[in-house]
Amino acid sequence: NAGVTQTPKFQVLKTGQSMTLQCAQDMNHEYMSWYRQDPGMGLRLIHYSVGAGITDQGEVPNGYNVSRSTTEDFPLRLLSAAPSQTSVYFCASSYGGTSGDTGELFFGEGSRLTVL
Amino acid sequence: GESVGLHLPTLSVQEGDNSIINCAYSNSASDYFIWYKQESGKGPQFIIDIRSNMDKRQGQRVTVLLNKTVKHLSLQIAATQPGDSAVYFCAETGSNTGKLIFGQGTTLQVKP
Repeated sequence: NAGVTQTPKFQVLKTGQSMTLQCAQDMNHEYMSWYRQDPGMGLRLIHYSVGAGITDQGEVPNGYNVSRSTTEDFPLRLLSAAPSQTSVYFCASSYGGTSGDTGELFFGEGSRLTVL
Repeated sequence: GESVGLHLPTLSVQEGDNSIINCAYSNSASDYFIWYKQESGKGPQFIIDIRSNMDKRQGQRVTVLLNKTVKHLSLQIAATQPGDSAVYFCAETGSNTGKLIFGQGTTLQVKP
């Protein structure tokens, strides 16, 4: 199993550009989520999904969109990038599903995004 | 609002000593807690978890203690090794919320 795979690993954008961070897992996990990690701020939850077709907002959802058309994929979209979105983004998945019990999260290796 | 925090940003210990990393949480409705370890340039890795119906749980060289009365969580690492050097995060969630909230992290430095 590859686990949780994120692409790209590094990306530089200009302010106002759009892009999608890809996340895929091959563990048949129902639960998937996106976090951002900034220095001194720990990990903050952006969006999460408890199953295909279901998404919800986390702590810092503004400026980001998500969709969950399949169990395996959970892309994160930035429609108009801003310098404040410069961060390291982590995708995570777990067995927890519609019960809301996240269980043990398995993380990807991260995507480092710089917005100029 | 909900918050999970750590008492110390950096902890320095001698190799072979025991380490104790503390965490305070404010949401009394939280019933599931997890400790993660993050090495430089990598994603967080699960260490150990505990549910609110337990006070203590042990793993290999690690023990998590939960004090619900004062909303305090701690991670104890026995015989700390250089490979334990990393940032440690506590995280909490409540039943059916779907939200796992992380604290800010404690950096553990192991001196040889």
